[in-house]
Amino acid sequence: EPEVTQTPSHQVTQMGQEVILRCVPISNHLYFYWYRQILGQKVEFLVSFYNNEISEKSEIFDDQFSVERPDGSNFTLKIRSTKLEDSAMYFCASSSGTGGPEAFFGQGTRLTVV
Amino acid sequence: RKEVEQDPGPFNVPEGATVAFNCTYSNSASQSFFWYRQDCRKEPKLLMSVYSSGNEDGRFTAQLNRASQYISLLIRDSKLSDSATYLCVVTDYKLSFGAGTTVTVRA
Repeated sequence: EPEVTQTPSHQVTQMGQEVILRCVPISNHLYFYWYRQILGQKVEFLVSFYNNEISEKSEIFDDQFSVERPDGSNFTLKIRSTKLEDSAMYFCASSSGTGGPEAFFGQGTRLTVV
Repeated sequence: RKEVEQDPGPFNVPEGATVAFNCTYSNSASQSFFWYRQDCRKEPKLLMSVYSSGNEDGRFTAQLNRASQYISLLIRDSKLSDSATYLCVVTDYKLSFGAGTTVTVRA
């Protein structure tokens, strides 16, 4: 069964450092998303990506965040200068369409900023 | 008003019981509706889509009321393995999540 894969599963970084979270979406999907979930809180939308550009982003997705699809398979989230409050589980998701088909989530990357 | 609101629970029920809970959404233009299940520290996993006519998947029944903008989920004959957080998800150009309803099924 096709699945979304994320690496690493856990990343510990020092405050102020840059991190890149990686995702391989399901191969025939066209829409890609990043979500985050702070421990004990709800799943929050960060950004959606389609046709090699950002289609929507939330208030959380400020200038320290960026996304990229550097090749035909990977989808990355970069956090330029991490803050303690960036500590969360980051989920990548993909879907075959928007507004209709369901999205499938990767297992997540747990980011810990110390 | 929050985009998606759920009763947080927790619902603590014995095995075999029926449990039901709702979710309300604010955007009347929302296109699709889902229930996802999330186990502790795991990713959300699709449980079922929700259709206007209502739909069943085994012991799970979902209903959508567009006029009142709410969605419901009913679990019959609860199993221990049903213990999880159930996430109401509403889509337009993105998936919007409710905060989740926690269900604990006890032996």
